[in-house]
Amino acid sequence: DGGITQSPKYLFRKEGQNVTLSCEQNLNHDAMYWYRQDPGQGLRLIYYSQIVNDFQKGDIAEGYSVSREKKESFPLTVTSAQKNPTAFYLCATSSSAGSSYEQYFGPGTRLTVT
Amino acid sequence: AQSVAQPEDQVNVAEGNPLTVKCTYSVSGNPYLFWYVQYPNRGLQFLLKYITGDNLVKGSYGFEAEFNKSQTSFHLKKPSALVSDSALYFCAVSPLTGTASKLTFGTGTRLQVTL
Repeated sequence: DGGITQSPKYLFRKEGQNVTLSCEQNLNHDAMYWYRQDPGQGLRLIYYSQIVNDFQKGDIAEGYSVSREKKESFPLTVTSAQKNPTAFYLCATSSSAGSSYEQYFGPGTRLTVT
Repeated sequence: AQSVAQPEDQVNVAEGNPLTVKCTYSVSGNPYLFWYVQYPNRGLQFLLKYITGDNLVKGSYGFEAEFNKSQTSFHLKKPSALVSDSALYFCAVSPLTGTASKLTFGTGTRLQVTL
């Protein structure tokens, strides 16, 4: 899990509430990503950011929002508009330097909404 | 659009036997291919990648993968399985764009190694 911190590890919320998941990295990587993992569906990309103050929607951005005010931080907000928010959320980073195209993942946050 | 298929939900192998976890892909242009492993309630760990060069790629923990362009496959292999290899394995593909590698993952294959 290296230099990527996700907090908290477990998060419980009531339906209708917004919730923000934290992702911090000390790897000095330019790009950061948010994925959602559901059983049997692999990982699906929610949002990604290549540089500070810029981000792009992934495949399943509806009901989510992000910000990238600092290189080290890429918080994800799960809004009440997300129909099925209960899932395991993974943050990842990658470096643009050299040929290091692989992504490095944080330990994840398991969100349960009831 | 890019896609990855992992045709087996689960692979069972006895300790000491060779293992193969299958992956096929579809992407425009040259593929960048990756294998990751996930242990329960943990993030994904990078195992190995193919960017260019030799078709046989060696990675962490004794794993290797063979890139086959004609069959659009990137199967993960290990000559001798260990019980500790039991985990969820993901194949991923990316057509590198800009500075971000936008990965598309397969649905994962659970590897079960038994004594």
